[in-house]
Amino acid sequence: EAAVTQSPRNKVTVTGGNVTLSCRQTNSHNYMYWYRQDTGHGLRLIHYSYGAGNLQIGDVPDGYKATRTTQEDFFLLLELASPSQTSLYFCASSDVGNTEVFFGKGTRLTVV
Amino acid sequence: GDSVTQTEGPVTVSESESLIINCTYSATSIAYPNLFWYVRYPGEGLQLLLKVITAGQKGSSRGFEATYNKETTSFHLQKASVQESDSAVYYCALGSNYNQGKLIFGQGTKLSIKP
Repeated sequence: EAAVTQSPRNKVTVTGGNVTLSCRQTNSHNYMYWYRQDTGHGLRLIHYSYGAGNLQIGDVPDGYKATRTTQEDFFLLLELASPSQTSLYFCASSDVGNTEVFFGKGTRLTVV
Repeated sequence: GDSVTQTEGPVTVSESESLIINCTYSATSIAYPNLFWYVRYPGEGLQLLLKVITAGQKGSSRGFEATYNKETTSFHLQKASVQESDSAVYYCALGSNYNQGKLIFGQGTKLSIKP
């Protein structure tokens, strides 16, 4: 069964701190995505990638970096975390074209 | 720009009653919009509930239905008789045929079912 695994599931950090969120997919998909979900906004795309070493900017990229080290692994980096980045983060994977998208269970990040 | 607007939540419906969650979209930069309903159960990731990629067509799954109406730019989700297990957050989303993971989501509608 297709799987997207996020870690950690919960994280608390201080303002100015350095945080890395991890995502691994075992679907052999080319595309991977990072979204954030805030009350009243639905999910918004931060960054995405269509293969190892590739990075594309999404709709709300400010304050975030991302890196795709392998086909399986996609990381989201917050180098100077701010309270405005307190959110629920979802990773997803898909293939090109008319195929299903698979989401992880989410990482709840709190910046205090 | 591209956007999706859906029924503000939370919504509470009694078991066996009917449900409609409204969704309207604006797709100014997508030539052939694809429309989706995703569902998130407590503690789980989002799952695809149904999708329709052709205007005028209807999608259905698990008793839910939605019709892609290009004239009214709508994609409302309906169910004739809800069950307690339908309690979840429902998201309407807009995408393209080329990359269906690059989505524009509505704000989500939290649905609670009263037994």
